[in-house]
Amino acid sequence: DVKVTQSSRYLVKRTGEKVFLECVQDMDHENMFWYRQDPGLGLRLIYFSYDVKMKEKGDIPEGYSVSREKKERFSLILESASTNQTSMYLCASRGGGFDSLSSYEQYFGPGTRLTVT
Amino acid sequence: AQKITQTQPGMFVQEKEAVTLDCTYDTSDPSYGLFWYKQPSSGEMIFLIYQGSYDQQNATEGRYSLNFQKARKSANLVISASQLGDSAMYFCAMREDYGGSQGNLIFGKGTKLSVKP
Repeated sequence: DVKVTQSSRYLVKRTGEKVFLECVQDMDHENMFWYRQDPGLGLRLIYFSYDVKMKEKGDIPEGYSVSREKKERFSLILESASTNQTSMYLCASRGGGFDSLSSYEQYFGPGTRLTVT
Repeated sequence: AQKITQTQPGMFVQEKEAVTLDCTYDTSDPSYGLFWYKQPSSGEMIFLIYQGSYDQQNATEGRYSLNFQKARKSANLVISASQLGDSAMYFCAMREDYGGSQGNLIFGKGTKLSVKP
């Protein structure tokens, strides 16, 4: 079974702190993703990575950065946490390639509920 | 314009009855995939079912089926014989294989399904 783990289920941080959210997958997937989920807004893509040391901005990258030094690990960094970054953060991974004949679905971690006070 | 539209923020269904969750999509890409995910209150996203744009048959997975109407650009999820454990958020998502989203998933805002005993 594919397993995607996230370092914390719940996290409380103060405004201005540097926050690291870690994600690890055990299926040798090339692609990894960070989303944030807010009520009524669905999932929005923050950053993704299709290979080690490669990263691409998603739809809402402002205020975030990422790091992928090893294939299995993808970190989301909040350089200076703000209250509007209070949210649920979901990490996902997917195998390489895509075509409509195959699903190549994304596998998600359990999520981290971050509260910034 | 939204790429994925889920018009039902919340729905109720009686246990053992069937329910349809609506999803419409917008793409000009000839090759794409449509996904449904379930998110229980625990937070993890669970992949349910996939439909490729070239698939002639509607996808089915156990009690889940996807009513794919390509001309109408709709991909409704049908859950037969609802169970209490089906109470969750349900997200429709699309992957465009040649579009600018680089094969990433675009999510709708979700539908909260509540199953009544």
